[in-house]
Amino acid sequence: ETGVTQTPRHLVMGMTNKKSLKCEQHLGHNAMYWYKQSAKKPLELMFVYNFKEQTENNSVPSRFSPECPNSSHLFLHLHTLQPEDSALYLCASSQDILRGHLGDTQYFGPGTRLTVL
Amino acid sequence: GNSVTQMEGPVTLSEEAFLTINCTYTATGYPSLFWYVQYPGEGLQLLLKATKADDKGSNKGFEATYRKETTSFHLEKGSVQVSDSAVYFCALNVAGNTPLVFGKGTRLSVIA
Repeated sequence: ETGVTQTPRHLVMGMTNKKSLKCEQHLGHNAMYWYKQSAKKPLELMFVYNFKEQTENNSVPSRFSPECPNSSHLFLHLHTLQPEDSALYLCASSQDILRGHLGDTQYFGPGTRLTVL
Repeated sequence: GNSVTQMEGPVTLSEEAFLTINCTYTATGYPSLFWYVQYPGEGLQLLLKATKADDKGSNKGFEATYRKETTSFHLEKGSVQVSDSAVYFCALNVAGNTPLVFGKGTRLSVIA
């Protein structure tokens, strides 16, 4: 148990559906992240939020829309996805992204396994 | 730029064998180095870390030493168990410049 929870754990959706992934952290952290993990590929950072403000968007297609209403919650809204978007979506949190203190680490949730039909 | 290179898998070992998973890095500045583990069906968990040269991180029988001269952070365990079967990720973080940079991961399978 890392203090970061994700729901749902599994999601199957059609290409025309709209769904949302939810992440919640109970660590008092101020930075939250979305990653995409596809088979045989490195972890891909998608979005970063620091104190509820988006600080990084790694050229993610607009069919993925993040939302961070407060420092404890992060959503990923999905619409008109493609089969190649099927992957494990991981949420993580850290104290903050501007901390110059060496050794700060990210804490990961268990992920949502997404299948797009 | 910052990058991490780790050995290609999969690695298959018998129980009680010695494990080494190689990891080398390129970084601007002085990075912290990490090993994360991902068990089947789960997210990543921090396994161990080292924040400066010659530091040794250790946890659950795994060890890795931060070698600045060879820019390496190889993961070792003296006697693996079936329960160690997982994907292992080497990662680095440069102070004030999160997010983490990950390697591609190495899948380890331990057979009884």
